[in-house]
Amino acid sequence: DTGVSQNPRHKITKRGQNVTFRCDPISEHNRLYWYRQTLGQGPEFLTYFQNEAQLEKSRLLSDRFSAERPKGSFSTLEIQRTEQGDSAMYLCASSAPRDRYRETQYFGPGTRLLVL
Amino acid sequence: SQQGEEDPQALSIQEGENATMNCSYKTSINNLQWYRQNSGRGLVHLILIRSNEREKHSGRLRVTLDTSKKSSSLLITASRAADTASYFCATEPAFGSEKLVFGKGTKLTVNP
Repeated sequence: DTGVSQNPRHKITKRGQNVTFRCDPISEHNRLYWYRQTLGQGPEFLTYFQNEAQLEKSRLLSDRFSAERPKGSFSTLEIQRTEQGDSAMYLCASSAPRDRYRETQYFGPGTRLLVL
Repeated sequence: SQQGEEDPQALSIQEGENATMNCSYKTSINNLQWYRQNSGRGLVHLILIRSNEREKHSGRLRVTLDTSKKSSSLLITASRAADTASYFCATEPAFGSEKLVFGKGTKLTVNP
């Protein structure tokens, strides 16, 4: 169990550019979640996958955001035409196949995005 | 939008003292989880308490849950400088979603 990994850890981009982040969940986990955290706030839910199916999306996820999990393993989060307001920490979490005793979400180290 | 509110927003104590943080939430839940976040890092899961549980312990941590008041508390006993971090409560809503809804966190500073 190597934990949830995210790449890159830091990204600086200019407004209007596209960026893509990657998340590799814990190997046996079929659920994968994306959250966004701005300074001084708690994380806010963006979207989640069960295997390759995207089951829920937040209203925070505007049409400039897209997330995929093509083979039910790693996931990517793409932001198109970045805006300064997109500057935040993007966190990924994963959890095991669901039963009553395995609800815990395990978080990765995050990708910190700065849009200039 | 964020469901929970942690109280206090900031807490400063001396090493060896106990730290108590409170969390209130708004809707029915399946479970409530506490996480720790060191500055600029990811979240570390501390403890989960289910809606039908009232108290749980893990090492120096004690969590209580009062679903009638929609509130929870996290007690850290015999605090250490390494406990300095932000602490977040997160709730999983009772119906139809597996997302976690976080509060704004309590920033704990433990002075050596």
